[in-house]
Amino acid sequence: GAVVSQHPSWVICKSGTSVKIECRSLDFQATTMFWYRQFPKQSLMLMATSNEGSKATYEQGVEKDKFLINHASLTLSTLTVTSAHPEDSSFYICSATTGTSLETQYFGPGTRLLVL
Amino acid sequence: GQNIDQPTEMTATEGAIVQINCTYQTSGFNGLFWYQQHAGEAPTFLSYNVLDGLEEKGRFSSFLSRSKGYSYLLLKELQMKDSASYLCASMDSNYQLIWGAGTKLIIKP
Repeated sequence: GAVVSQHPSWVICKSGTSVKIECRSLDFQATTMFWYRQFPKQSLMLMATSNEGSKATYEQGVEKDKFLINHASLTLSTLTVTSAHPEDSSFYICSATTGTSLETQYFGPGTRLLVL
Repeated sequence: GQNIDQPTEMTATEGAIVQINCTYQTSGFNGLFWYQQHAGEAPTFLSYNVLDGLEEKGRFSSFLSRSKGYSYLLLKELQMKDSASYLCASMDSNYQLIWGAGTKLIIKP
């Protein structure tokens, strides 16, 4: 089956630093990757949609200068949280779709970010 | 507008059956998904319905009625490991998922 990995799985950082999270599709080419954020006991909130080689489309209310997304290849997308603050602490999850199955999103295991 | 409703929490007994309902209002409806999410983990895909009717997959079944904007996830022979949140999500015509808040299912022995 389609496998998506994320790295790191856990990150603790000081306020003001930047954190990069990688999302990789391991056994398929991902035409589209999605980045979600999930706060405790809440549902997933879509942050942005990215297609390989083009700029990401951000959801309303998501600062594109703060959450930098790079989708450099069909198997890798990165999310960089710039100048992280404690309120950015959350569970960040990526998902990917294949070119042949747009309906199904395959999720990565998530990255838990704690900003002190 | 886009809207998804599902109960916040449900409790059931090990070995029993539970039905988790979901109602949706989605423009350009393109299918209904159910995902399972254990605490601290990412969601895992359970089912996808785009046509009316019941789809059975082992202990889990999912039903869709497009005319009513209604779906349910049916879990049979409940096991303790089924304790998790169950997320209902509808897909719009742009293949974007609209997520419900999730139903936390608590299984008691």
